[in-house]
Amino acid sequence: GQNIDQPTEMTATEGAIVQINCTYQTSGFNGLFWYQQHAGEAPTFLSYNVLDGLEEKGRFSSFLSRSKGYSYLLLKELQMKDSASYLCAVRDGDYKLSFGAGTTVTVRA
Amino acid sequence: ETGVTQTPRHLVMGMTNKKSLKCEQHLGHNAMYWYKQSAKKPLELMFVYSLEERVENNSVPSRFSPECPNSSHLFLHLHTLQPEDSALYLCASSPSEEGSGANVLTFGAGSRLTVL
Repeated sequence: GQNIDQPTEMTATEGAIVQINCTYQTSGFNGLFWYQQHAGEAPTFLSYNVLDGLEEKGRFSSFLSRSKGYSYLLLKELQMKDSASYLCAVRDGDYKLSFGAGTTVTVRA
Repeated sequence: ETGVTQTPRHLVMGMTNKKSLKCEQHLGHNAMYWYKQSAKKPLELMFVYSLEERVENNSVPSRFSPECPNSSHLFLHLHTLQPEDSALYLCASSPSEEGSGANVLTFGAGSRLTVL
């Protein structure tokens, strides 16, 4: 199977920046996704990277390095509502999507 | 409202019960999925339907039986489950089953299942 690793938990202060790393080992590559999931709610799409580089969407940015099998999600100007689980998912050469176990981010006042 | 609706949101059942989970989407998507989400574990893909035809079954025990009567509805029929089957069951849909481009999944909020 595919191997996708991300930290289990991270804690940061309101207004700060947090970077969630995701490393992957897959057979081929056809894109990397980040989803946000608040407790008791549906995962919602945040970003999609298929080429190397940085994609910016407001306070959230996602970076990809295909040669390193590495991505990160950067959350800037953290707000309390950003407390959630962040899921990294990778689509392999056969277009099969595999998820990491998720990173729970806790934002403290 | 995410566009994908799941019912019931919570379900408690005994090991001998028969129950069903329901998923509905009106996004015009052609693919629908069942995922299992257990605490601290990656989402596990269970079943994929594309244009109402099952295209993937990831070695899921037969006590889980999916049904896709049309492109908007997906069911997961549950029978003689085990306590280890307790988890959050997420339904998702996407424009197509595979292919280039983002083909983003839209998830429902899930059905929290507890098997006693």
